[in-house]
Amino acid sequence: GQSLEQPSEVTAVEGAIVQINCTYQTSGFYGLSWYQQHDGGAPTFLSYNALDGLEETGRFSSFLSRSDSYGYLLLQELQMKDSASYFCAVQKGAGTASKLTFGTGTRLQVTL
Amino acid sequence: DTGVSQDPRHKITKRGQNVTFRCDPISEHNRLYWYRQTLGQGPEFLTYFQNEAQLEKSRLLSDRFSAERPKGSFSTLEIQRTEQGDSAMYLCASSLALVADTQYFGPGTRLTVL
Repeated sequence: GQSLEQPSEVTAVEGAIVQINCTYQTSGFYGLSWYQQHDGGAPTFLSYNALDGLEETGRFSSFLSRSDSYGYLLLQELQMKDSASYFCAVQKGAGTASKLTFGTGTRLQVTL
Repeated sequence: DTGVSQDPRHKITKRGQNVTFRCDPISEHNRLYWYRQTLGQGPEFLTYFQNEAQLEKSRLLSDRFSAERPKGSFSTLEIQRTEQGDSAMYLCASSLALVADTQYFGPGTRLTVL
């Protein structure tokens, strides 16, 4: 089988740093993506890792360890607008196997 | 704005009726995906096209579901004889078929089956 595990909820204060972890167990692995989804909105692409290490995009960074089947999304300088659900998603292959398998999501609440 | 668009945004129907949704991908994208999302869950893959060819269908896609992408541009997803369990958000995404295959999602069609 395959599974992606994320914490269901995380709360943090404005201006803080928060890390959302994702562990995966899939029959194939090519890359790990992160998406943000506000209530009632569409998933929005944030970051992608195919190789081990850290990818930085502004206030957001994503990390991957293929040997540990583990990744995380790091959000810095949190803002109220960052309150949303965050999904990790595994891309199992390139070419015809590039569909995404999503985790159940982490609901982030940013407070004052 | 040249993002992915979906129509309608909301659909309420009675059990047993047929419904059809449309997705217009980003114009240069040759891959188009359909996903379904229920409350509190991540999107689940349904099917995808590369140009006009439907390359993969999930086991979630029963024979009541059919999708087309006749000219390799827009796509339609039809659900026949809808059931209450079909109530969900139906999301369309498109990509450029590069190695990373970053998928860009549309706003979704929320289906409610009464």
